Amino acid sequence: SQQGEEDPQALSIQEGENATMNCSYKTSINNLQWYRQNSGRGLVHLILIRSNEREKHSGRLRVTLDTSKKSSSLLITASRAADTASYFCATDTLWGYNKLIFGAGTRLAVHP
Amino acid sequence: GAVVSQHPSRVICKSGTSVKIECRSLDFQATTMFWYRQFPKQSLMLMATSNEGSKATYEQGVEKDKFLINHASLTLSTLTVTSAHPEDSSFYICSAPLQKIAGEPADRDTQYFGPGTRLTVL
Repeated sequence: SQQGEEDPQALSIQEGENATMNCSYKTSINNLQWYRQNSGRGLVHLILIRSNEREKHSGRLRVTLDTSKKSSSLLITASRAADTASYFCATDTLWGYNKLIFGAGTRLAVHP
Repeated sequence: GAVVSQHPSRVICKSGTSVKIECRSLDFQATTMFWYRQFPKQSLMLMATSNEGSKATYEQGVEKDKFLINHASLTLSTLTVTSAHPEDSSFYICSAPLQKIAGEPADRDTQYFGPGTRLTVL
């Protein structure tokens, strides 16, 4: 079963704007990961944040984690049309090491 | 970097036939691999954990007799969809984690995903 929810389900923005996606989960975790998936393609790993970390950056990506609220956010700054994809959070739970449970995903559309 | 391949990338079959999908780790060994299924516009659902040298463990609701998993070597896991029906049409994705090794950087437990196999059952 899925670990949690992501919101929004869909997000449409203009190039140059920032995109924020949120993820909530239900059980305790080892880490939380964000992936991108272009339509009909495989997954691309974006960033991993551990349960003892609160914030992590990678290029234009910023991920936060609040374990007290069981939530995470992914911020993409200065978005580009090439960022158009579905974004999923996935949790590596305490009870199933490396067994990832995915959120429902956010479909991001960045318009030129 | 680590790469996971899947074969075939796309398969179309008739109802009632069996289809085998291969998942290979190309430059690392994987004692564990995972199989996911993704229906259109939905998220990935974990089907089973493939364990090298032992039986796979299946998630609740996944029929083990229908989805046969064999992890015969440290670089290969196969998923066979037996007696496939149209409702089995889906995108099947495998993943393999780089196992954590004592003293290695913590991020080595990142998982690597295959490109997926799109199964269409007519």
